[in-house]
Amino acid sequence: DAGVIQSPRHEVTEMGQEVTLRCKPISGHNSLFWYRQTMMRGLELLIYFNNNVPIDDSGMPEDRFSAKMPNASFSTLKIQPSEPRDSAVYFCASSLGLGGSNQPQHFGDGTRLSIL
Amino acid sequence: QKEVEQNSGPLSVPEGAIASLNCTYSDRVSQSFFWYRQYSGKSPELIMSIYSNGDKEDGRFTAQLNKASQYVSLLIRDSQPSDSATYLCAVNGGGTYKYIFGTGTRLKVLA
Repeated sequence: DAGVIQSPRHEVTEMGQEVTLRCKPISGHNSLFWYRQTMMRGLELLIYFNNNVPIDDSGMPEDRFSAKMPNASFSTLKIQPSEPRDSAVYFCASSLGLGGSNQPQHFGDGTRLSIL
Repeated sequence: QKEVEQNSGPLSVPEGAIASLNCTYSDRVSQSFFWYRQYSGKSPELIMSIYSNGDKEDGRFTAQLNKASQYVSLLIRDSQPSDSATYLCAVNGGGTYKYIFGTGTRLKVLA
């Protein structure tokens, strides 16, 4: 079975540009999570969706960040305008959320983002 | 503020020894606990999950959970150089799908 698929794997762009990261969750999973990982702050949850609905976006750092999940098989994380401090590895993860059940999250390979 | 604490390490153990990784958490209503392994430059990979007090064994890995003391640990028996990685503890509270991750413990297994 295909795992979580993220694109692009690497992105290098200049400050001020718009960046769009993409994620395809595991088929059948109904919860999707966007994380950011840096050496200084570790793995931080930015936002998560359940059944395509954003549930908790309290980790989104500021209005420059936005995320959408238009259907069960696709999500985007957008940064506009980008800044050098946004440089990090961005991971998408998915799980099968069933009521109160706590199924493991499975991670994609990540997008390594560098803002110059 | 819900927290998950791990010693950052590095924890160095000789090949063949038992590596013991520990994690404490602050939220008493936490229900699910996970250990992830992350190699440098790679994504976190799930290696163990545990939901009830006691031990859970899977091959060379044993997860231990003590809810009264609010800690969870991971034992790696017969450690191999290929086990050298950062190990992340993740805790899930009741009523949410959200994990809180620790900052990870870096393990080095010396050949």
